[in-house]
Amino acid sequence: GEDVEQSLFLSVREGDSSVINCTYTDSSSTYLYWYKQEPGAGLQLLTYIFSNMDMKQDQRLTVLLNKKDKHLSLRIADTQTGDSAIYFCGHSGGGADGLTFGKGTHLIIQP
Amino acid sequence: DAGITQSPRHKVTETGTPVTLRCHQTENHRYMYWYRQDPGHGLRLIHYSYGVKDTDKGEVSDGYSVSRSKTEDFLLTLESATSSQTSVYFCAISSPRSGEGDTQYFGPGTRLTVL
Repeated sequence: GEDVEQSLFLSVREGDSSVINCTYTDSSSTYLYWYKQEPGAGLQLLTYIFSNMDMKQDQRLTVLLNKKDKHLSLRIADTQTGDSAIYFCGHSGGGADGLTFGKGTHLIIQP
Repeated sequence: DAGITQSPRHKVTETGTPVTLRCHQTENHRYMYWYRQDPGHGLRLIHYSYGVKDTDKGEVSDGYSVSRSKTEDFLLTLESATSSQTSVYFCAISSPRSGEGDTQYFGPGTRLTVL
């Protein structure tokens, strides 16, 4: 299977919470990341979490990490039309030799 | 904005021609990376650099070479472009710091089409 797996699409109604999930296989992952990509743009860092943490909150964003199950999630509260984008989960071993990414989840906002 | 620019932003070329893409950064970051983004594959690492004249291969390095003669510039060269190299190419930088790991910041991308 893939090193990092994400669902390809998620559709939510405006104002609801969005939860984007990611699973990974590398147990040596030290840092885990969420990036956002809007059409025609590069990847924008949203947040990251160190592997010894369970949760990190930053305004509307909540990251949950279940290291035992190698599962990472990103919750966006009060989803807005501006949140429509592709969200990438990524991880590294902390060795500065590059990140490994999932294929990205397209977040679609319904009015 | 981590002070990263890429040039050109768009390029159309023909099979067999050499192509060089440039990544330029202004903030003295030590590490620089080249990724390609393709539908169905996400982002994949091509090459990276951990200092001037120090480079290493990534997951999909075949058909690509890189050079870093100055801290601020990281060049990606396709010696003889093929249609399979049609892609969007992203440069990234990182400056590992305690507590932040090797968080990477990305440039705006170069869309390359090989006919």
